[in-house]
Amino acid sequence: GAVVSQHPSWVICKSGTSVKIECRSLDFQATTMFWYRQFPKQSLMLMATSNEGSKATYEQGVEKDKFLINHASLTLSTLTVTSAHPEDSSFYICSASNGVHYYNEQFFGPGTRLTVL
Amino acid sequence: KNEVEQSPQNLTAQEGEFITINCSYSVGISALHWLQQHPGGGIVSLFMLSSGKKKHGRLIATINIQEKHSSLHITASHPRDSAVYICAAKANAGGTSYGKLTFGQGTILTVHP
Repeated sequence: GAVVSQHPSWVICKSGTSVKIECRSLDFQATTMFWYRQFPKQSLMLMATSNEGSKATYEQGVEKDKFLINHASLTLSTLTVTSAHPEDSSFYICSASNGVHYYNEQFFGPGTRLTVL
Repeated sequence: KNEVEQSPQNLTAQEGEFITINCSYSVGISALHWLQQHPGGGIVSLFMLSSGKKKHGRLIATINIQEKHSSLHITASHPRDSAVYICAAKANAGGTSYGKLTFGQGTILTVHP
């Protein structure tokens, strides 16, 4: 399958700082990227869907001003957690797809573990 | 009741056993993913299917659209198969949910040598 990378793989930051997470599709053009978060022993929760060149669509309950998403190119999307707080500590996973139809598969990144002190 | 239900939630097997994980869904879907998540957290997509059956190595996935049910089978299980297996249903055409995945709660598989 296609390869999706995330950087960094883990990050520790102080409360109040901002953290940027990158998601890259390495061998295909990702018109759509999805950002998920996962709490321990729980399943993935979709945060937002981003399409290249347009504003991200956020799921209900996700603060768009806190979780800034940029999808400026077909191979890169970034998630910035602004003014991070300990409750933002989580495992963040992105996935990338070259469409949303039934035949377009989502390929997942390895995840970024964020710890906010 | 969740839209995507998996069973069992926990599964323990001896090496070599045949394993089946089930997934039922209540929504209209365009496709269904089977995913594998190891303790480190990374997710690997095992299968995406919208009908019939797919096979890759020791893994087999089937789906019955009429019954809204899918199964993941592992033949000749091995300790390295120990992981969390997640089914995810891709929303059907139309509406704001198109293309989005709804995840089951996962099945924790432990295979003992």
